[in-house]
Amino acid sequence: DAGITQSPRHKVTETGTPVTLRCHQTENHRYMYWYRQDPGHGLRLIHYSYGVKDTDKGEVSDGYSVSRSKTEDFLLTLESATSSQTSVYFCASRDRFSPLHFGNGTRLTVT
Amino acid sequence: DQQVKQNSPSLSVQEGRISILNCDYTNSMFDYFLWYKKYPAEGPTFLISISSIKDKNEDGRFTVFLNKSAKHLSLHIVPSQPGDSAVYFCAASFLGGQNFVFGPGTRLSVLP
Repeated sequence: DAGITQSPRHKVTETGTPVTLRCHQTENHRYMYWYRQDPGHGLRLIHYSYGVKDTDKGEVSDGYSVSRSKTEDFLLTLESATSSQTSVYFCASRDRFSPLHFGNGTRLTVT
Repeated sequence: DQQVKQNSPSLSVQEGRISILNCDYTNSMFDYFLWYKKYPAEGPTFLISISSIKDKNEDGRFTVFLNKSAKHLSLHIVPSQPGDSAVYFCAASFLGGQNFVFGPGTRLSVLP
């Protein structure tokens, strides 16, 4: 769907280690997003990008950073992973007046 | 404080009957609403949307109703099929805006 690929699909890491999740889209969409999904909270926005090198914070951005050096790639970095960042992470992309198209998610476990 | 609420965590419906999923929002500035469907181990997929200039939008078995005065929208699925069993998320935005706010989801089970 909209050619969005997330990697890795599953990751287990230890508290305090840095982690980078990757999102790649082939639709030349301008906007890209990182959400996390947790029970009872639905999907919450972490960061989004409205162009190459243009990013902004979402509602749960603490402890996360992003980078977008090319239109097709959007990276999410957990600078020092904590157990509260155990979650399922979804990347999404869209054009200006289109709905979000999501990848299949990355399940991250921080032990 | 959730801006988009889905107060029913789960719903069970018999195959062939109507499924009605509800969503309430608090920000009266939202003017674009969407429904997404999510199967386990997959990403959410777009189902249907409605802008605030309309009060109804249909696409096949799926109809979304918007009541702006009540800040309420609903998704009707008629007839319900077992393949409709999934988690449904309501989302809201500003038309042309950059951010989408999601509700917590409702798990629909369609029983054969």
